[in-house]
Amino acid sequence: EVQLVQSGAEVKKPGESLKISCKGSGYSFTSYWIGWVRQMPGKGLEWMGIIYPGDSDTRYSPSFQGQVTISADKSISTAYLQWSSLKASDTAMYYCVRRDTTGTSDYWGQGTLVTVSS
Amino acid sequence: EIVLTQSPATLSLSPGERATLSCRASQSVSSYLAWYQQKPGQAPRLLIYDASNRATGIPARFSGSGSGTDFTLTISSLEPEDFAVYYCQQRSNWPLYTFGQGTKLEIK
Repeated sequence: EVQLVQSGAEVKKPGESLKISCKGSGYSFTSYWIGWVRQMPGKGLEWMGIIYPGDSDTRYSPSFQGQVTISADKSISTAYLQWSSLKASDTAMYYCVRRDTTGTSDYWGQGTLVTVSS
Repeated sequence: EIVLTQSPATLSLSPGERATLSCRASQSVSSYLAWYQQKPGQAPRLLIYDASNRATGIPARFSGSGSGTDFTLTISSLEPEDFAVYYCQQRSNWPLYTFGQGTKLEIK
């Protein structure tokens, strides 16, 4: 069974750094792209970027380029989303998604809620 | 960037009725459009991919149609569990897979 299991909720202060994770199982982790999606409170879905764990090829949506870093450790089948200096506006639910061979986002993680507040 | 516009923003219907949701793209996305359902407190779930293909385990009352710039998600007879928010997403413009803003399907 394909599963994407994300790390738990985080509460941080503005200016702090953070790295959240997404662990894949039940499939060949290095053969499928993993994307990240933001959902701000009460709002819609926003595509942030995507990584191919096989070779760490990473692409970013222009809105998120320079704001976050996407990475992966294929040895432990885990993708990451990190911030070097959080802002209150980073408060959101973050989902990882698997891009299947047709390009569709077929499996989603359960989401990680990030709250940034002073 | 390809912009997807969903309409209506909110759709109020009763169980048993037919629901028709629309997604319009700012430029052609061929058939590279998917639909997702999101219930409160849950991750989105894939319903339809490549405009008209139901994902595994999705009931036959859900169907998708369209190509180019205009797409439709139809739910033939609403069940109580179908009331949720629905999003479309295009995968034509790699790697910028944009989403529509969503349509909330609520009980009338």
